[in-house]
Amino acid sequence: GAVVSQHPSWVICKSGTSVKIECRSLDFQATTMFWYRQFPKQSLMLMATSNEGSKATYEQGVEKDKFLINHASLTLSTLTVTSAHPEDSSFYICSAIRASGDEQFFGPGTRLTVL
Amino acid sequence: QQQVKQSPQSLIVQKGGISIINCAYENTAFDYFPWYQQFPGKGPALLIAIRPDVSEKKEGRFTISFNKSAKQFSLHIMDSQPGDSATYFCAASKKEAGTALIFGKGTTLSVSS
Repeated sequence: GAVVSQHPSWVICKSGTSVKIECRSLDFQATTMFWYRQFPKQSLMLMATSNEGSKATYEQGVEKDKFLINHASLTLSTLTVTSAHPEDSSFYICSAIRASGDEQFFGPGTRLTVL
Repeated sequence: QQQVKQSPQSLIVQKGGISIINCAYENTAFDYFPWYQQFPGKGPALLIAIRPDVSEKKEGRFTISFNKSAKQFSLHIMDSQPGDSATYFCAASKKEAGTALIFGKGTTLSVSS
């Protein structure tokens, strides 16, 4: 149990377009979901924390108008990268926490390449 | 300010040897310390985790040693195998529910056969 999926697993888009990434908890309800980005050979950097039905909390330096997060239900959170540019190319990973615990379950990640 | 410091950055171990990765934290409010394993192009997977009320936790070939007074914890991989070659991240989080993990910078482990 405790599986988190992401869709798509990889995406290539043109500069200036928007890309939506979905994060789903498949077999549990996630009270909180997190979004991280990871550049090659680097650690995971927290972008934002989202709770179902409320606005996401963004980390310092993360543009909330560029990285739109919607946590519409207890099993789905989406990250939309608006007006993507090549510097937004990265590996985006979500994680989710069950109401009953503190272990974070990570998704498989989404590789975004902006041309 | 980096709240979780991890070392070494990279590690090469012979098959059958012991791999040791160390982490140190600064925030005494942290009370959950997991280790994650990540393969290229994949999301991190929880390997083992510990809370400050115990000094050691063992699961199979993986052991966490925890020193609360020194604010340090380490991962030991016994009988290291080529399949253990991956990047390992230590992390820490506070007691409050729903708080984010703070990750170390990672250690790339290569186990030679």
